[in-house]
Amino acid sequence: GEDVEQSLFLSVREGDSSVINCTYTDSSSTYLYWYKQEPGAGLQLLTYIFSNMDMKQDQRLTVLLNKKDKHLSLRIADTQTGDSAIYFCALLRGKAAGNKLTFGGGTRVLVKP
Amino acid sequence: DTEVTQTPKHLVMGMTNKKSLKCEQHMGHRAMYWYKQKAKKPPELMFVYSYEKLSINESVPSRFSPECPNSSLLNLHLHALQPEDSALYLCASSPTRGAGYEQYFGPGTRLTVT
Repeated sequence: GEDVEQSLFLSVREGDSSVINCTYTDSSSTYLYWYKQEPGAGLQLLTYIFSNMDMKQDQRLTVLLNKKDKHLSLRIADTQTGDSAIYFCALLRGKAAGNKLTFGGGTRVLVKP
Repeated sequence: DTEVTQTPKHLVMGMTNKKSLKCEQHMGHRAMYWYKQKAKKPPELMFVYSYEKLSINESVPSRFSPECPNSSLLNLHLHALQPEDSALYLCASSPTRGAGYEQYFGPGTRLTVT
C-alpha cells in the first residue's frame, strides 16, 4: 500500500522559518496537498502542488517537491504563534486507486515566543 | 465561500441509541466524503459520494449508514455504536472526484460513545 511518512514533532522559535517534511512511496500521485489542523478543528487546506512542478510559493508558504527522492516539504517563513498546529501532507492517488487522498501521520508544530 | 458545515459539533450517545450527523455545503460540489479521525492520527476515509451516488465504502461496519439526500447534504446515520467508534467525524467536499480537485473539510463532529 501507500506509505506517507512525516516526522512527529517540530519546535520552532517565533519569527524563524519552519520546514515540515513528507516522504512517500507511490510515484503515481498527481497532486500533493498540505493541510493544517488546529486543536479541536477540521482540516484547513493550505496549499497544493501538481506533480510536474518543483516549487510553489504562496505568501509565507513554499512547497518543494523532489519527485526523484519522493520528498515533499512545506516551508513557513516568519513563523507565528498562530502557526502552531498539526500539519498533514496528503497525496491524491490515481484513478486506479480510486482517486483517494492518502494522509501522512501529521507533524505537530509548536511555535515558541 | 469554501465552507463545509457540520452539525452537531459534539455528540454523546449510548450504545443503543440512534443518531445522525449532518454535513452541508453550498459550493456546488458534487463529491462528498466522510472521514473518521482518532486522536493524534490522520483522517481515515469511510465513504465517498459522487453525484449523490455512493462510490466508495471503505469496508465500514453497517452500524454506520451514509445518505446523500441531495447534492448539498450528506448524512451519517449511527446505530448500535461501540465505544471504539468515539472519534472526530469529518465531512469534506470537492468539485468532483479526481485529480486536481482539492477537498474542503468541515470542522467535524466529536462523537463520544458511552
